[in-house]
Order: sequence, then structure tokens, then C-alpha cells
Amino acid sequence: GEDVEQSLFLSVREGDSSVINCTYTDSSSTYLYWYKQEPGAGLQLLTYIFSNMDMKQDQRLTVLLNKKDKHLSLRIADTQTGDSAIYFCAESNTGYSTLTFGKGTMLLVSP
Amino acid sequence: DVKVTQSSRYLVKRTGEKVFLECVQDMDHENMFWYRQDPGLGLRLIYFSYDVKMKEKGDIPEGYSVSREKKERFSLILESASTNQTSMYLCATGGPNINIQYFGAGTRLSVL
Repeated sequence: GEDVEQSLFLSVREGDSSVINCTYTDSSSTYLYWYKQEPGAGLQLLTYIFSNMDMKQDQRLTVLLNKKDKHLSLRIADTQTGDSAIYFCAESNTGYSTLTFGKGTMLLVSP
Repeated sequence: DVKVTQSSRYLVKRTGEKVFLECVQDMDHENMFWYRQDPGLGLRLIYFSYDVKMKEKGDIPEGYSVSREKKERFSLILESASTNQTSMYLCATGGPNINIQYFGAGTRLSVL
């Protein structure tokens, strides 16, 4: 079945850029998503990218998609302590309502 | 804004009890989902529903059942709770486009 892989942990200093990486196996993935989970809370959609796009930028967030290598990344510019959270990568196919999530990357931002 | 409300944030139950976790959404979404989240395992789909009275098994349905009598409400039922069902349970809803899912705040269930 489909699989989504992420590194489990990333630590950065406040003000630095963070890059969270994700790989997926399903070549028919249509949409790819980044969700954020703050402590004790549910998941919140950060951004998504359609599979025919290479890049999407939204304020401090930049999503890069390399469809050939099935690699997705999320770059957070000027990382703040409030960005400390778990970040989940997910993918879906057109016609299917379910998402396949990665295990999540815990981002720790130190002052 | 989409609102997904889970009835309890924290729940403590005894082994063997029947447990109901409730989820209500206010956006008229067709799709609703139940996940459990465990450290190191990420989110795992238990059941989902794409319409009233319809249900589909997810990846880990064993020990669980669901009920969807009304479009806005999706209940997860633990018929006889066991300690290995101690977990964070997350409900989500999704509309017809782009497969974006909207999550509730979660219910942390402890089975003693």
C-alpha cells in the first residue's frame, strides 16, 4: 500500500530556516498536504500542493515538490518558538476520500 | 470556519466498559473519519463514513465500531475497552473537494 515517510525529529534555533522532508511511494498521488499539530491539539492544515505544481509559497512557508523523486519538503523561514509542533505530511488520490499520513516530524525551536 | 467538536478532551474508563466517543461537525461535510494517534506510530485510520448510515473500515478497525445516524454526528464505539486502546482519538471531517480534512481537538482516552 501507500507509504509516507518523514524524519522524526528536527531541532533549530529561533530565526533559522527549518526544512522538513517527506517521501511518498504512491505515484498517483494527486494532492500533498502539510498539517501542524500543537501540543494537546488536533491537526491543522498548513498548506497543500497539487501534484502538477513544483512549488507553493505562503508567507513564511515554502513547499517544494519533486514528483520524479516523490519528495516533498516544507521550509519555514525565520522559525519562531511558536512553530514548535509536530508536522505531518499526507497524500491523497483523486476519487478517494482518505489521506495517508506520515508519522510526523517533531520540530523543536530553541531561543 | 469549520468546527469539529469532540465531546470529551479527557476520558478515563475501566477495562471491559463500553465507551462512546462523539464527534459533531457544523459544515455539512459528507465525509467523517476516526483516527487514533500513538507515539511513534502517527495517525492510523480506524473507520470512516462517506454518508449517513454508511461506514468503511480503515486500517485498524478491530475492537471498534461506528455509528452515523445523522450527517453531522459520527460516533466511535469501543464495545469492551481494553488497555491497548489507551490512546489519543482524533475525529476529522472532509468536504467533496481536494480531500482536505478538518480535525477536532482530540480525546485522550485512558483505559485502566
